[in-house]
Amino acid sequence: AQSVTQLDSQVPVFEEAPVELRCNYSSSVSVYLFWYVQYPNQGLQLLLKYLSGSTLVKGINGFEAEFNKSQTSFHLRKPSVHISDTAEYFCAVYTGGFKTIFGAGTRLFVKA
Amino acid sequence: SAVISQKPSRDICQRGTSLTIQCQVDSQVTMMFWYRQQPGQSLTLIATANQGSEATYESGFVIDKFPISRPNLTFSTLTVSNMSPEDSSIYLCSVPMNTEAFFGQGTRLTVV
Repeated sequence: AQSVTQLDSQVPVFEEAPVELRCNYSSSVSVYLFWYVQYPNQGLQLLLKYLSGSTLVKGINGFEAEFNKSQTSFHLRKPSVHISDTAEYFCAVYTGGFKTIFGAGTRLFVKA
Repeated sequence: SAVISQKPSRDICQRGTSLTIQCQVDSQVTMMFWYRQQPGQSLTLIATANQGSEATYESGFVIDKFPISRPNLTFSTLTVSNMSPEDSSIYLCSVPMNTEAFFGQGTRLTVV
């Protein structure tokens, strides 16, 4: 069965600093991987997705993620964060049964 | 892509009552999913709403508590029955389309 592990429940970071949110997945088959963002009191928004091809995926708001098959990871990065990036970030895997399995989430808190 | 409308967007309900949440999609889809997001938690899949047959529930969720209807390929309802404060959550419907899941904005339920 597929599963997703987000290694950090909270990540505090100063504004304009780089950030990496870690995600590992478990699957015996090829998967599609996603990062979603949820701003306070808002719905889910897709940041980026990996389906196939280039392992470096660029998304919205300056975020990117790298798919690493050997390490079964899909870490999210941003070179310089803003206060407005404060939100909950979910890594997710889209399964062969069309279900989306979510990680526990990482709360990114950007400090001035 | 898919546009998903959920009603109501939020509600405050008395314990012991039931609430039915509606999900409308702007195109015909084979599968629809219902998720729950408890306060400060990630999204957990409740069930798959199948058109023309009974819903398929995930472990820990039962039909008596979360009855689901799927009368056609664009609409589904989820009922939260005999509510208790522990049912206070955001409930989201989701549809898979072209290797990606699309989500409604959610229904924020508070049980008092």
